[in-house]
Amino acid sequence: GENVEQHPSTLSVQEGDSAVIKCTYSDSASNYFPWYKQELGKGPQLIIDIRSNVGEKKDQRIAVTLNKTAKHFSLHITETQPEDSAVYFCAARDSAGGTSYGKLTFGQGTILTVHP
Amino acid sequence: NAGVMQNPRHLVRRRGQEARLRCSPMKGHSHVYWYRQLPEEGLKFMVYLQKENIIDESGMPKERFSAEFPKEGPSILRIQQVVRGDSAAYFCASSPPISTGELFFGEGSRLTVL
Repeated sequence: GENVEQHPSTLSVQEGDSAVIKCTYSDSASNYFPWYKQELGKGPQLIIDIRSNVGEKKDQRIAVTLNKTAKHFSLHITETQPEDSAVYFCAARDSAGGTSYGKLTFGQGTILTVHP
Repeated sequence: NAGVMQNPRHLVRRRGQEARLRCSPMKGHSHVYWYRQLPEEGLKFMVYLQKENIIDESGMPKERFSAEFPKEGPSILRIQQVVRGDSAAYFCASSPPISTGELFFGEGSRLTVL
């Protein structure tokens, strides 16, 4: 099955700096790579995703890049703000079962702290 | 437009008791996934269900754990004879029949075993 590794486990930045979180995956057939943000006591929420036919995607201060050859993808947050402080999870979609099979394998998470 | 609803949000059980966690998916969603999150760890897949069918239970412990998603009513994750190691947050997610990939998560049920 799929295995997703995520680094770093903790990341501390000053407000206004950039933050980068990296993930690698093992199954070359995986085709969908979302990033989730989890605030304390809440459920994970999707913040951005990328599919295997795209190399980069951007949404305001958040961007994700995908390198299929190397099987790694990264989350980039620019101009960080204190409200960006949360746990961030990368994930990869299992390739089995076609479009109706949505099982995601998650990385271990990164605790991002943005200091004012 | 309600999201994924989980209850109870918090549950305390003594060792040996049973825990039942409920999940109502988003309207129009027929796929339900259960994940477990241990303290300061990631989300571990447990089981994937469609209405009245278990599609993938590869992450479910072989004993004491069961899940169902009946034709009517919420999905239920049942843990029998709970032990301290079952203490965790249990998250339910749902997706529509033709999935774009996104899973929509509930707020979780936090189980504490005394």
